[in-house]
Amino acid sequence: GESVGLHLPTLSVQEGDNSIINCAYSNSASDYFIWYKQESGKGPQFIIDIRSNMDKRQGQRVTVLLNKTVKHLSLQIAATQPGDSAVYFCAEIYDYKLSFGAGTTVTVRA
Amino acid sequence: ETGVTQSPTHLIKTRGQQVTLRCSSQSGHNTVSWYQQALGQGPQFIFQYYREEENGRGNFPPRFSGLQFPNYSSELNVNALELDDSALYLCASSLGGRTANTGELFFGEGSRLTVL
Repeated sequence: GESVGLHLPTLSVQEGDNSIINCAYSNSASDYFIWYKQESGKGPQFIIDIRSNMDKRQGQRVTVLLNKTVKHLSLQIAATQPGDSAVYFCAEIYDYKLSFGAGTTVTVRA
Repeated sequence: ETGVTQSPTHLIKTRGQQVTLRCSSQSGHNTVSWYQQALGQGPQFIFQYYREEENGRGNFPPRFSGLQFPNYSSELNVNALELDDSALYLCASSLGGRTANTGELFFGEGSRLTVL
């Protein structure tokens, strides 16, 4: 399953499908954005970042999209795997402070 | 593994007590940030230390204080514990201090504090 546009607290995805996780950020002056993955019992782990002068950035199996007009970020995960099950947070940096958004719990169905 | 270690991993305190949490940053990193993560929520920024000085603080009362040592390790101290202080406390290290807009913070696995 995919979610487009709307932030959902949970997302259930069939293994092998693509996932889209959405996030709205709060500060229009923020100039740097990061996606983190947090597995149970662990600290957040950096996935990918994007600066405000870009609207798209690709990594390994992940793509981040930034829409500054509506203050929206999304993380796309290609070919979702069981190891992708975790809580995903977007975060924005403004004046050195890192502010995390509400997380999305992704569950991958076998 | 991130190279950031925190201790203790779990602890239980009672209201009114004081607690000290410790963090060893990744080798070569001179900046340490502390975050509080309540159950089911995202981490909230407490403060940041750069070269042994606090150089930024979130919306936390003065009973949350910290230190950074010459080897860049850090402590978080919380006095007069309240029930709402129960949370996972995360330490993150990075390089560059306040001006560094790097998202590549390296987080430890946290210290889970329960206040009864």
